[in-house]
Amino acid sequence: GENVEQHPSTLSVQEGDSAVIKCTYSDSASNYFPWYKQELGKRPQLIIDIRSNVGEKKDQRIAVTLNKTAKHFSLHITETQPEDSAVYFCAANSDSNYQLIWGAGTKLIIKP
Amino acid sequence: KAGVTQTPRYLIKTRGQQVTLSCSPISGHRSVSWYQQTPGQGLQFLFEYFSETQRNKGNFPGRFSGRQFSNSRSEMNVSTLELGDSALYLCASSPKNPTDTQYFGPGTRLTVL
Repeated sequence: GENVEQHPSTLSVQEGDSAVIKCTYSDSASNYFPWYKQELGKRPQLIIDIRSNVGEKKDQRIAVTLNKTAKHFSLHITETQPEDSAVYFCAANSDSNYQLIWGAGTKLIIKP
Repeated sequence: KAGVTQTPRYLIKTRGQQVTLSCSPISGHRSVSWYQQTPGQGLQFLFEYFSETQRNKGNFPGRFSGRQFSNSRSEMNVSTLELGDSALYLCASSPKNPTDTQYFGPGTRLTVL
């Protein structure tokens, strides 16, 4: 079955710098790749997603890239701010699998 | 539209008891997924329901069960509670398809003493 690996497990960056989180997946049929942000004590919230017919998607300071050949996708956050501190989860799914497959999460720490 | 709601928000039980958690999806959403999240852990998939049918189930013991009603509201039940069942239980709703965006509820924090 599908497996999603996420790295790093913890990422500490200086405020204003960029952060990159990477995920790899195993099922070539996967065609939907969302990223969720979970702040302490809160519910996970979708921040951006990408589908297999595009290679990159941007939303202000956040971007996601997808490399279907290598089976990996990445989250890029530029000009990081204190409110970016959270746990970020990647996930993958296909049209035939009634279950999002989740990465283990990355704790992003923004140092002032 | 109102978001996903879960009740109760907090629950304290003792070992051996059973518990029922409820999830009301966003209006029009027919798929509900349930997850268990323990401190420092990721999201462990429990099961997914669509139109009152369980379409997929995770690797949890049979003590964990669920159901969905005709109005798409869903419940999950845990019988014979164990200390290790203490966790945040999240439900997420989506319109229909596996690749539709999932929207999470605030979760139910279950503590087993």
